[in-house]
Amino acid sequence: EAQVTQNPRYLITVTGKKLTVTCSQNMNHEYMSWYRQDPGLGLRQIYYSMNVEVTDKGDVPEGYKVSRKEKRNFPLILESPSPNQTSLYFCASSLAGSNYGYTFGSGTRLTVV
Amino acid sequence: GENVEQHPSTLSVQEGDSAVIKCTYSDSASNYFPWYKQELGKRPQLIIDIRSNVGEKKDQRIAVTLNKTAKHFSLHITETQPEDSAVYFCGLNTGNQFYFGTGTSLTVIP
Repeated sequence: EAQVTQNPRYLITVTGKKLTVTCSQNMNHEYMSWYRQDPGLGLRQIYYSMNVEVTDKGDVPEGYKVSRKEKRNFPLILESPSPNQTSLYFCASSLAGSNYGYTFGSGTRLTVV
Repeated sequence: GENVEQHPSTLSVQEGDSAVIKCTYSDSASNYFPWYKQELGKRPQLIIDIRSNVGEKKDQRIAVTLNKTAKHFSLHITETQPEDSAVYFCGLNTGNQFYFGTGTSLTVIP
C-alpha cells in the first residue's frame, strides 16, 4: 500500500530533550516536507526536500533540523525542544515538487512540557 | 511567505445545499491549486486540484474554479451530505514551497 509512515503518533517530552520524529514513504516520491498544524494558523511549512541531500527552509524552520540521506526517509529533529513547539506535525510527500499533490502521514501530536 | 487568504473560516449548511469556499493569493507565478479535506483527528487528504492552464475542474459533487486574473480560486460542493463535514484547506505553490490557507470548518446539518 502506498503510504507515508510517521512515528511516533503521540509524544510528550520535556524542554531541552532532543527528539526525532521519523517519516518514511514507499512511493519513490522526490519531494518531502514537514508541516506543523496549529489552531487558527493552518498548516505551516517547516522544511522541505526536493531530493536526496537537498533540503531547504520553509516558513517556520527555527528550532528544527532535517536530513535527507535516502530518498524514502525524511526525519524531523528537535535538538532542544521548547513549549512553543507543542503542535501537531505532519510529514508529506509528493511525486516531483510543490506542483503535485501531497500524501500525508498520520501525524505526530507533540507536547513539550 | 505567500499570503493565502481563505474564507469563510466556518460554514454551516443544510444537507442538500451547496457550499462555496474561496481562497485568494498574491503570487502570479503560482500554477498549482489543490484542495484538501481533513476530518476530525485524521490527516489531510487531497480531494481535487487544478492547474493554471485550466479554469474549472469537476469531480462528481465537487468542483474547483480558478480566476488567474483576479488571483482567486474556489471549492464548490453541491448536494452536501453529513459526511462532507470536515475542515477544508486550499493550497498553492510558490517556487519550491507549498502554502496552505488557514482552513474552513464546514458543518452539514442533517
